[in-house]
Amino acid sequence: NAGVMQNPRHLVRRRGQEARLRCSPMKGHSHVYWYRQLPEEGLKFMVYLQKENIIDESGMPKERFSAEFPKEGPSILRIQQVVRGDSAAYFCASRRGDNTGELFFGEGSRLTVL
Amino acid sequence: DQQVKQNSPSLSVQEGRISILNCDYTNSMFDYFLWYKKYPAEGPTFLISISSIKDKNEDGRFTVFLNKSAKHLSLHIVPSQPGDSAVYFCAAPNAGGTSYGKLTFGQGTILTVHP
Repeated sequence: NAGVMQNPRHLVRRRGQEARLRCSPMKGHSHVYWYRQLPEEGLKFMVYLQKENIIDESGMPKERFSAEFPKEGPSILRIQQVVRGDSAAYFCASRRGDNTGELFFGEGSRLTVL
Repeated sequence: DQQVKQNSPSLSVQEGRISILNCDYTNSMFDYFLWYKKYPAEGPTFLISISSIKDKNEDGRFTVFLNKSAKHLSLHIVPSQPGDSAVYFCAAPNAGGTSYGKLTFGQGTILTVHP
């Protein structure tokens, strides 16, 4: 039973480019959460999605960031026109139900903006 | 507004001794707390949790204590082992909200256990 799979593990972008981070939840999990960890800080909640629905995006920056979890395929966190401050580790986590079971994290995608 | 705080960025302990990691919170609506362990270049993994109806929860070498009046919790690891060296985060689910997967994390404490 594969865990939460994130790719790419490392991504380098120049300022102004787009970054797409993908997350495949554990089998049987339909709840996905994205977190961001800036250097020397803890993880900060960004967005909570279920299949085809954004449930809570209160942690998402108002501009340039978007997330989706389509009916088929992985969840995607998209950052348009990246800036240096977007450099961080982005973690995806999944859970069977929102109040059910443990939250499992992926290994993260490390974005570096040059 | 840092609702969950880990004021010690790092802790160094000798193998075999007790490690005590501390966490304070400000939101009295938090009713459940978790500790996660994180190795470099990996995601956090769940370690132990405690509900606010308890003041202690034990799992093997790991014990979490909760002092609600002080809004303080601590993780005790005894005996500490070199493999315990990692970053430890305390976290609380969304208080009074709709999602228990929406966690507020502390800044983390780097634990180093020396052989």
